[in-house]
Amino acid sequence: GIQVEQSPPDLILQEGANSTLRCNFSDSVNNLQWFHQNPWGQLINLFYIPSGTKQNGRLSATTVATERYSLLYISSSQTTDSGVYFCAVAPGGYQKVTFGTGTKLQVIP
Amino acid sequence: NAGVMQNPRHLVRRRGQEARLRCSPMKGHSHVYWYRQLPEEGLKFMVYLQKENIIDESGMPKERFSAEFPKEGPSILRIQQVVRGDSAAYFCASYRTGSNSGNTIYFGEGSWLTVV
Repeated sequence: GIQVEQSPPDLILQEGANSTLRCNFSDSVNNLQWFHQNPWGQLINLFYIPSGTKQNGRLSATTVATERYSLLYISSSQTTDSGVYFCAVAPGGYQKVTFGTGTKLQVIP
Repeated sequence: NAGVMQNPRHLVRRRGQEARLRCSPMKGHSHVYWYRQLPEEGLKFMVYLQKENIIDESGMPKERFSAEFPKEGPSILRIQQVVRGDSAAYFCASYRTGSNSGNTIYFGEGSWLTVV
């Protein structure tokens, strides 16, 4: 099956700093989403982004499908950004969604 | 439009009992996934269902676990004779192809199973 790797596995930021999270996948996809799992366990949709670039406030994401990676940018980080960020992908056609290993982010005041 | 609804949110079972977790997908969604998340780990695919059909159950343990998504009513994940290793968060997700948001999948808030 498709392999999804995320980096870095752990990240500690000072409040106000910027960061880039990466997601590499091993095969072509027609569905890629970024999720934030907050400290209470809720999974929050951030972006549906199988290709191209999207922005939502301080967050933006870019997927280069031909090179099989996606990036999530967090600018001016806040303590509420803490949690685990997951990339999830599904290959063309069939929609089994595979999650990456996650990036655990801690933003300190 | 209500989101994906899961219940119960928290469930405690003794070893050997049965656990039933329910998931009502978003309105108009006919595809449901179940994922399991062990403490400090990522989400692992268990099963993918459409109404009245199991499409892919390659992530389901061969014994004690079963899932259904009947024509009427919620999807059910059933765990028989629970063991301590079944303690985890179980997430349900749903999606509908052809929506304006593409094939976006939406997750419920999870059901936390604790086996004592």
